[in-house]
Amino acid sequence: KAGVTQTPRYLIKTRGQQVTLSCSPISGHRSVSWYQQTPGQGLQFLFEYFSETQRNKGNFPGRFSGRQFSNSRSEMNVSTLELGDSALYLCASRMGLAGGNEQFFGPGTRLTVL
Amino acid sequence: QKEVEQNSGPLSVPEGAIASLNCTYSDQGSQSFFWYRQYSGKSPELIMFIYSNGDKEDGRFTAQLNKASQYVSLLIRDSQPSDSATYLCAVISGNTPLVFGKGTRLSVIA
Repeated sequence: KAGVTQTPRYLIKTRGQQVTLSCSPISGHRSVSWYQQTPGQGLQFLFEYFSETQRNKGNFPGRFSGRQFSNSRSEMNVSTLELGDSALYLCASRMGLAGGNEQFFGPGTRLTVL
Repeated sequence: QKEVEQNSGPLSVPEGAIASLNCTYSDQGSQSFFWYRQYSGKSPELIMFIYSNGDKEDGRFTAQLNKASQYVSLLIRDSQPSDSATYLCAVISGNTPLVFGKGTRLSVIA
């Protein structure tokens, strides 16, 4: 079974631009979550989508948004990029929203903002 | 603010020894606990998960839960140099799928 895939793997943008990241979950998984990982803050939860609806949201500004399509694929958008948005963005999928469902991570997209 | 705390390390153990990694969590209602391993430059890989009803052993790995002390541990027996990585403890807390600690860096010395 194929794992979680993310595109692109690497991205370089300049301040003020916007960026869209894509995530395809494991087949049969309907929940997709997004995380930001930085050396200082560690892994922080951005949001989770299930059945095309945002179910949970972390403490990030409105510049960070996402969506999920009917095939469970998800995209994340960051507008008006800031230097502090440089990070590894990780997508994780799980079967459903029940507490016991394990999350599996994709390889990540490394975003550098200049 | 729900939190998960881990000692950042590095924790250095000789090859063949037992590595003991720990984390504490603040949400008393948490019932699902996960350990991820992350090699440098890679994404986190799930290695163990336990629920509030007990400990779990899988090969060289044992995860233990102490609900009274809000404390989770991961034991790695017969540690190998390939176990050198950062180990992330994560807890399902409220509506957040996973709340992560900042990780403990483990170094296994050959």
